[in-house]
Amino acid sequence: QSVLTQPPSASGTPGQRVTISCSGSSSNIGSNTVNWYQQLPGTAPKLLIYNDNQRPSGVPDRFSGSKSGTSASLAISGLQSEDEAGYYCAAWDGSLNGVVFGGGTKLTVL
Amino acid sequence: EVQLVESGGGLVQPGGSLKLSCAASGFTFSGSAMHWVRQASGKGLEWVGRIRIKGYNYATAYAASVKGRFTISRDDSKNTAYLQINSLKTEDTAVYYCTKQDCSSTSCFTGWGQGTLVTVSS
Repeated sequence: QSVLTQPPSASGTPGQRVTISCSGSSSNIGSNTVNWYQQLPGTAPKLLIYNDNQRPSGVPDRFSGSKSGTSASLAISGLQSEDEAGYYCAAWDGSLNGVVFGGGTKLTVL
Repeated sequence: EVQLVESGGGLVQPGGSLKLSCAASGFTFSGSAMHWVRQASGKGLEWVGRIRIKGYNYATAYAASVKGRFTISRDDSKNTAYLQINSLKTEDTAVYYCTKQDCSSTSCFTGWGQGTLVTVSS
């Protein structure tokens, strides 16, 4: 049972917009920044969104992040087949004194 | 370019020990907190722990699931971080990644190694 809650799966067709939610609490998302990671099959995770809504250099602007209260969301617009991957949210948890990850969402492009 | 190369994984019996290494290059290692994250086959990411820089007295923090059994250390002169794993359990079987903290956020990891597989089995 992960501290941050994500839907286990999501899907969409090419060109569609999909959102992935990440729900936490006041000790993590509510008081610390959220970061999102993309993990393509068989590879290490890659930073996708940092500090709630910032994109690292090289990440397409199709990817965006937002946060409100104790929840965060990752949005992917103009869905492409290469977006098929696992997506994880993460935040520092002040009560646990550690980093917590969401359980991950497997995105399928139909 | 940030490069992190983990090594030291392998097959070990329950109750055994291993020491993983993470060799870093392409950035100022001594100025970066380093974390370890693991992933069991087919499962999600699990934070293991982190070590801060000299200015914070190399302070460490660990996940509850590994506290007391795992120890993170670093040698800035060798640009290397370590994860000492003791009293291994079957549930510790996973790919172990080292990561570089960045972005002024404790959960922001801008560099990841390729991972090293630890298998705990009799």
